[in-house]
Amino acid sequence: ETGVTQTPRHLVMGMTNKKSLKCEQHLGHNAMYWYKQSAKKPLELMFVYNFKEQTENNSVPSRFSPECPNSSHLFLHLHTLQPEDSALYLCASSQEAGASYEQYFGPGTRLTVT
Amino acid sequence: GQNIDQPTEMTATEGAIVQINCTYQTSGFNGLFWYQQHAGEAPTFLSYNVLDGLEEKGRFSSFLSRSKGYSYLLLKELQMKDSASYLCAVLDSNYQLIWGAGTKLIIKP
Repeated sequence: ETGVTQTPRHLVMGMTNKKSLKCEQHLGHNAMYWYKQSAKKPLELMFVYNFKEQTENNSVPSRFSPECPNSSHLFLHLHTLQPEDSALYLCASSQEAGASYEQYFGPGTRLTVT
Repeated sequence: GQNIDQPTEMTATEGAIVQINCTYQTSGFNGLFWYQQHAGEAPTFLSYNVLDGLEEKGRFSSFLSRSKGYSYLLLKELQMKDSASYLCAVLDSNYQLIWGAGTKLIIKP
């Protein structure tokens, strides 16, 4: 079992749909992250959870809604997305946020909004 | 603002050596990371530098100069499997990672 898993790997949705991305980490970490990766752009940090508490929300539109029920699971709920939201969404975890621990990434969900 | 600069793309030959540079301007500094990302895969951790100097790890080495706001990743004895994007990221004073756009490395036989 790989350290960080994400489902689904690919998702196509219309602008009026509601869908959720799921992330699970099997590393015993206490921090989890959502990133957006667009072609030829730096990784954009979206949300950070540390010990199940949200500690960062980098001005992300409300059509993206995170949920962290426990330290091992992280969700990103999507609704009424725009075509410019099409990107690779990466989940990551680390021992703790706000420190110099390396992050471990999942394989990502390739999202296409039509 | 905070900024990380690295070349967009580099090409090198199998068996050779390549150096990927990264320059940064950030609010504070708590370390610099290098990650490797193969196409369609997750980024994976390569190295972390917080003090000046060279850190060697097998065929890969990473160098840091804090006074110059500069780092490089050195890859020796290049193999075809080293074809990937290499991401530079700096931990700022708030321990938030600031990412570069990545350098796509193409290895030719």
